[in-house]
Amino acid sequence: DIQMTQSPSSLSASVGDRVTITCRASQGISHSLNWYQQKPGKAPRVLIYAASSLQSGVPSRFSGSGSGTDFTLTISSLQPADFATYYCQQSYDTPLTFGGGTKVEI
Amino acid sequence: QLQLQESGPGLVKPSETLSLTCTVSGDSISSTSYYWAWIRQPPGKGLEWIGNIYYGGSTYYNPSLKSRVTISVDTSKNQFSLKLTSVTAADTAFYYCARLQYPRRVMGAFDFWGQGTMVTVSS
Repeated sequence: DIQMTQSPSSLSASVGDRVTITCRASQGISHSLNWYQQKPGKAPRVLIYAASSLQSGVPSRFSGSGSGTDFTLTISSLQPADFATYYCQQSYDTPLTFGGGTKVEI
Repeated sequence: QLQLQESGPGLVKPSETLSLTCTVSGDSISSTSYYWAWIRQPPGKGLEWIGNIYYGGSTYYNPSLKSRVTISVDTSKNQFSLKLTSVTAADTAFYYCARLQYPRRVMGAFDFWGQGTMVTVSS
């Protein structure tokens, strides 16, 4: 199985901050990496697919980069609606696997 | 607008079978561009992929659950279903159905999700 490791597991930030979350795969996965945002009591929603493609309807302050084993999700200017938990997920091979999550708190 | 809705019992006894159905509206489950998936999340924990099914019936399962899982599809009802046998307390979780992108025969992201349903395993 491909293990996905996110860091940090949690972070505290303020509105307007630039936030970076990293995700490392246990083996190369090309660009097959997706990012999700989940708020309490809600289903996850996809933000970024294929490492760097912005899902339709997602604000442009979200961006993704990376390839191979190392990936990054960046929020350029944190907004109140962005306080949530973020997950990476690899779609390179089954079993499809998720990172452990990064909780972004005020 | 695509919608997915999970349905099924919220309480299942240990050793019994968990059965859930996902009803898809706003799109055909027979689309060649997507798989249909089940994902679960124990309360306060992370996400675990359970498995996918294509409209034609081909499936992928998580090896950690494969011996207990069956996912099936009913294209006439635009539904797909999950059965998980011999459940224990460790199977207590929110269960989500989702659409998995499958462009150019390559799996992508889960781009639409149901709201989720909580299933508790308890006697």
